[in-house]
Amino acid sequence: DAGVTQSPTHLIKTRGQQVTLRCSPKSGHDTVSWYQQALGQGPQFIFQYYEEEERQRGNFPDRFSGHQFPNYSSELNVNALLLGDSALYLCASGIAGGGGNEQFFGPGTRLTVL
Amino acid sequence: KNEVEQSPQNLTAQEGEFITINCSYSVGISALHWLQQHPGGGIVSLFMLSSGKKKHGRLIATINIQEKHSSLHITASHPRDSAVYICAVSGGYGGSQGNLIFGKGTKLSVKP
Repeated sequence: DAGVTQSPTHLIKTRGQQVTLRCSPKSGHDTVSWYQQALGQGPQFIFQYYEEEERQRGNFPDRFSGHQFPNYSSELNVNALLLGDSALYLCASGIAGGGGNEQFFGPGTRLTVL
Repeated sequence: KNEVEQSPQNLTAQEGEFITINCSYSVGISALHWLQQHPGGGIVSLFMLSSGKKKHGRLIATINIQEKHSSLHITASHPRDSAVYICAVSGGYGGSQGNLIFGKGTKLSVKP
């Protein structure tokens, strides 16, 4: 049983560009949450997708958008990249209504913006 | 003030030592999570608990809901335990049941 997978592993972009990150949830999971982790900090919640809709959102600008597909996989899109968007982007999957919100994390995508 | 505070930020121990990492939170929660993050980024869930105590191998996690405090203990520490340990809380506040709020993590280094 594959766990949560993310692609790509690493990515280098320049300011102003756009980027798409991808996540496949653990088998049997139907929610996908995205987190941004800056160097030396704990992860910060970006948003969560369930039933192909954004259900909750953290304190991130509209440049950050996402999508969930019928197979529960998800994409995170970031437009007009800024240097400050450089971070590890983590995807986590879970089961809607799962008590306590247990989430399983992917290995992350490290984005560097030059 | 962060909603989830961890201490210490950094911890160096000798192999075999008993280690304690603390976590305090200021919001209502449905569960508290202890996570482990190795260099390179991947996060592994160690425990999810809402009351009492859980044990898995050399790891023990406790939570005191009234005091809004949790501890992660590692017995007989080993160099392979070196990692960042992160406390996170979920649910029970402001409708934000879908996400986790994380502490900044405790970087543990166990020397042989």
